[in-house]
Amino acid sequence: DVKVTQSSRYLVKRTGEKVFLECVQDMDHENMFWYRQDPGLGLRLIYFSYDVKMKEKGDIPEGYSVSREKKERFSLILESASTNQTSMYLCASSSGTGSGFDEQYFGPGTRLTVT
Amino acid sequence: GNSVTQMEGPVTLSEEAFLTINCTYTATGYPSLFWYVQYPGEGLQLLLKATKADDKGSNKGFEATYRKETTSFHLEKGSVQVSDSAVYFCALSLPYSSASKIIFGSGTRLSIRP
Repeated sequence: DVKVTQSSRYLVKRTGEKVFLECVQDMDHENMFWYRQDPGLGLRLIYFSYDVKMKEKGDIPEGYSVSREKKERFSLILESASTNQTSMYLCASSSGTGSGFDEQYFGPGTRLTVT
Repeated sequence: GNSVTQMEGPVTLSEEAFLTINCTYTATGYPSLFWYVQYPGEGLQLLLKATKADDKGSNKGFEATYRKETTSFHLEKGSVQVSDSAVYFCALSLPYSSASKIIFGSGTRLSIRP
């Protein structure tokens, strides 16, 4: 079974702190994704990566950056956390090369609160 | 642009009732369609999918048919159980140059009463 793990289930940070969210997948997937999930808005794509050191912006990249130094690991970085970044963050991975058929596998999520 | 619209929740039903959650989409090109489910405290997992018009996806008693003429992918189940209580997301995926991206609806929370 595909397993996607996230470093923390719950995280509380202060405004202005630099925050790292880590995601690891164990199925040698090429593609990894970071979403945020907010009530009434569904999932919104922040960034994704289709190869090591390759990344593309999603729909809401402002205030975030990412790093993918190894194939299995994809990090989301909040350079200076703000209260409007309080949310549930979900990591996902998939194989495939953009055919449109590819299922994404999700981690359990990190609920981040910025105070 | 590409988007997914699904019925707002919460939806509350009694056990063994019939379930329909409506989903319509707007897309350029020919998307694949998905239903994902999120149980309490967990991430999303794929429930079913359909990759072309008139395909029917099915899993765990749930079904959805890809209707190109009505741009719909409604989720149905004949007899729901308490264990089906979860949030359900309709989604579409389009081919992309690097990796398929999925566009999600806003989710429908389903609660089943014993």
